[in-house]
Amino acid sequence: EVVLVQSPGTLSLSPGERATLSCRASQTVSTTYFAWFQQKLGQAPRLLIHGTSRRAAGIPDRFSGSGSGTDFTLTISRLEPEDFAVYFCHQYDRSPWTFGQGTKLEIK
Amino acid sequence: QVQLQESGPGLVKPSETLSLTCTVSGVSISLSSYYWGWVRQTPGKGLEYLGSIYYSGKTQYNPSLESRVTISADTSKNQFSLNLNSVTAADTGVYYCARVRDGYILVPFDSWGQGTLVTVSS
Repeated sequence: EVVLVQSPGTLSLSPGERATLSCRASQTVSTTYFAWFQQKLGQAPRLLIHGTSRRAAGIPDRFSGSGSGTDFTLTISRLEPEDFAVYFCHQYDRSPWTFGQGTKLEIK
Repeated sequence: QVQLQESGPGLVKPSETLSLTCTVSGVSISLSSYYWGWVRQTPGKGLEYLGSIYYSGKTQYNPSLESRVTISADTSKNQFSLNLNSVTAADTGVYYCARVRDGYILVPFDSWGQGTLVTVSS
């Protein structure tokens, strides 16, 4: 199975700063089938990005995704207070679909 | 607007079968534009895809769980269900049902239920 490793495990930043989250896959993943989710405490994950760079419905444009092959990135251009949460990468290219272990974005 | 809601026992004994149902409102699960899946979140493995059921009734399972998992649908009730047999403590976690949009572009898990906590314990 495709193992997704996210870094860093925890990212401490202040509102207004730029956040860069990384995800590395153990095998090549098609850009068509790579996604990012946000999860807040006690809630279900929320789809942010699919197809590597396509924002899901209602997602603000401060969220952007990029990458190819085995390296993918989620960038939040200017952090808002509501952005502090856990973020997961996800590949739906190869069976079984898999998720990363998560990056916790916390307020510095 | 689509809504998904999981239901089922919150406590299951070891070696028994975990059974959950997801009730979908706002869209028919029979539409070819979607398929319907289960994802769980456990302390040991984090987020884990369990499997899906297509509008046609075809199923897809995570190979690591395939021998224990069954997903089925009742289109008359607009529900789909998860059965996981021979459970152990490692199966304790929050279970989510979610929708996959299957069209020109495949969009994974764009709508989720709120999740239901299942504890495996005697």
